[in-house]
Amino acid sequence: SQTIHQWPATLVQPVGSPLSLECTVEGTSNPNLYWYRQAAGRGLQLLFYSVGIGQISSEVPQNLSASRPQDRQFILSSKKLLLSDSGFYLCAWSTGEGSYEQYFGPGTRLTVT
Amino acid sequence: SQQGEEDPQALSIQEGENATMNCSYKTSINNLQWYRQNSGRGLVHLILIRSNEREKHSGRLRVTLDTSKKSSSLLITASRAADTASYFCATDSRGDYKLSFGAGTTVTVRA
Repeated sequence: SQTIHQWPATLVQPVGSPLSLECTVEGTSNPNLYWYRQAAGRGLQLLFYSVGIGQISSEVPQNLSASRPQDRQFILSSKKLLLSDSGFYLCAWSTGEGSYEQYFGPGTRLTVT
Repeated sequence: SQQGEEDPQALSIQEGENATMNCSYKTSINNLQWYRQNSGRGLVHLILIRSNEREKHSGRLRVTLDTSKKSSSLLITASRAADTASYFCATDSRGDYKLSFGAGTTVTVRA
């Protein structure tokens, strides 16, 4: 069966510090991968998605970047965090191939102070 | 950008009652999905309805889709305390695997 991991679960970082959030998927090959951000009490905003290694599409221009160094690994980064980067970050995967359901990780709660 | 909008924003019901929430969207869709999110957790896929379907059931869940009105409803029957969560609709377009989520409906089931 497939599983998706995210870490860390929670993170408190000062303004101006770097960020690296990691997401890995097990039990599937060549998944589509997605990074979302969720503000408190709001829906999900798609940040990045990837259909293959090294293929990243950015949905919203901002202070973040994403990379996919391996087939089942997706990393969200920032060189200098802003207060507005605080939120709940969710990674998800889907098989593509005509299937539109997405499967989500447990999320990372980021607080920028 | 958000395509779907859920209504109501919040709903409080007694255990055993039914809960109904609605989702409206703006542009043509391929599929519409419903997800559940427990507080502080990731989303869980509940059900997918295709644009050529009008109704779908899964256990205590019933989803309807009216493409002429660009709207969908999710009915949870005989609610339980464990159904307390936020519920989101999400839409996609044919060949585009990105999902557009609404802001969600928060459901509280009182014992």
